[in-house]
Amino acid sequence: QKEVEQNSGPLSVPEGAIASLNCTYSDRGSQSFFWYRQYSGKSPELIMFIYSNGDKEDGRFTAQLNKASQYVSLLIRDSQPSDSATYLCAVKGYGGATNKLIFGTGTLLAVQP
Amino acid sequence: DAGITQSPRHKVTETGTPVTLRCHQTENHRYMYWYRQDPGHGLRLIHYSYGVKDTDKGEVSDGYSVSRSKTEDFLLTLESATSSQTSVYFCAISIAVIGPRVDEQFFGPGTRLTVL
Repeated sequence: QKEVEQNSGPLSVPEGAIASLNCTYSDRGSQSFFWYRQYSGKSPELIMFIYSNGDKEDGRFTAQLNKASQYVSLLIRDSQPSDSATYLCAVKGYGGATNKLIFGTGTLLAVQP
Repeated sequence: DAGITQSPRHKVTETGTPVTLRCHQTENHRYMYWYRQDPGHGLRLIHYSYGVKDTDKGEVSDGYSVSRSKTEDFLLTLESATSSQTSVYFCAISIAVIGPRVDEQFFGPGTRLTVL
């Protein structure tokens, strides 16, 4: 069973701090990794994607991929109350049908003012 | 919402009733998907489509069927709704056709379905 696992949280951080969200995956051949943000009652919104080992930065967001250890992380710098949401990790498996993503259950982030 | 609309946005129905949910997109994107989202389970793929009349099953396809007779519309049908199908249903699209970005999926606003 291919799985993507996340701590459900809530992860509580003070405003201005760095929030660190983690995701582990079981399929060693996975090649594409995505982070979605989902506000309560809304649809998931793609915020980061990463295809190769290492880090990718976009504004206050940094995605880190470690294929050897099979985990991907999302760092949010200078966290704001507006970052409070559930963050979903998604993984594209190797050899699977085109475009199929496997989602984790999400981590709830609460940024305290 | 990446130019995706879903209808209806909310629906309450009774067990045993057929239900059809519609996903509509205006940009002729090839790939479309139906997911359901439930507490503790996250997003799970029901069915997907890679073109008109080309569909395939996802992880939780039992009790669901789909049709895509036009590029812009992807329909999800619950032939005989059950209480276990109470959920939030999301449609998604891939904008890219080839290359690594074809895996990026963008979601519609969702349909909240309650089966009594």
